[in-house]
Amino acid sequence: GESVGLHLPTLSVQEGDNSIINCAYSNSASDYFIWYKQESGKGPQFIIDIRSNMDKRQGQRVTVLLNKTVKHLSLQIAATQPGDSAVYFCAERNQAGTALIFGKGTTLSVSS
Amino acid sequence: NAGVMQNPRHLVRRRGQEARLRCSPMKGHSHVYWYRQLPEEGLKFMVYLQKENIIDESGMPKERFSAEFPKEGPSILRIQQVVRGDSAAYFCASSPTTANTEAFFGQGTRLTVV
Repeated sequence: GESVGLHLPTLSVQEGDNSIINCAYSNSASDYFIWYKQESGKGPQFIIDIRSNMDKRQGQRVTVLLNKTVKHLSLQIAATQPGDSAVYFCAERNQAGTALIFGKGTTLSVSS
Repeated sequence: NAGVMQNPRHLVRRRGQEARLRCSPMKGHSHVYWYRQLPEEGLKFMVYLQKENIIDESGMPKERFSAEFPKEGPSILRIQQVVRGDSAAYFCASSPTTANTEAFFGQGTRLTVV
């Protein structure tokens, strides 16, 4: 079946630290992944995406790593700031390409 | 360049009433998706539409729920005879030419059934 999960439900870091949020997926045929950030009471905000023909992609302060061998996805946030506090979801496009499959999310808490 | 617009932001309905949720995709986006989110959970896919067509409704409950994306106007998610279990946040997303790539979400409609 198709499913996306996250290793840890919560992650607490100090301001300025680097954060790593992990995600495991089960469908080895998945070809596209997205990371979203969701703040309380708001909709998911697109952060960064990656296709399966890539291992790494960098954005502003964020890096997504894809390890297809072990079906693992991670989001790295450099110099984490209090404004990064939110729930982070990874999402996987289903085989038909018609939907995104979301995991349950990791709550990132950044303390000053 | 407005993002995905959803309205209303909050909707309260009594059991048995109808709920209509509206979504206007980003300009230039022809793919619309609806997702439901229960408290403390991830988003669950409901339906994927293109203009005047339902492409995938595998996540829609078989009864009381329907969706449309007419040639003109916003996409509508309609829930008839609402029950307490329908209380959730409903999110709409849109993407440009390729399905589900760079999908951007609206702020959601929070439906409360009393």
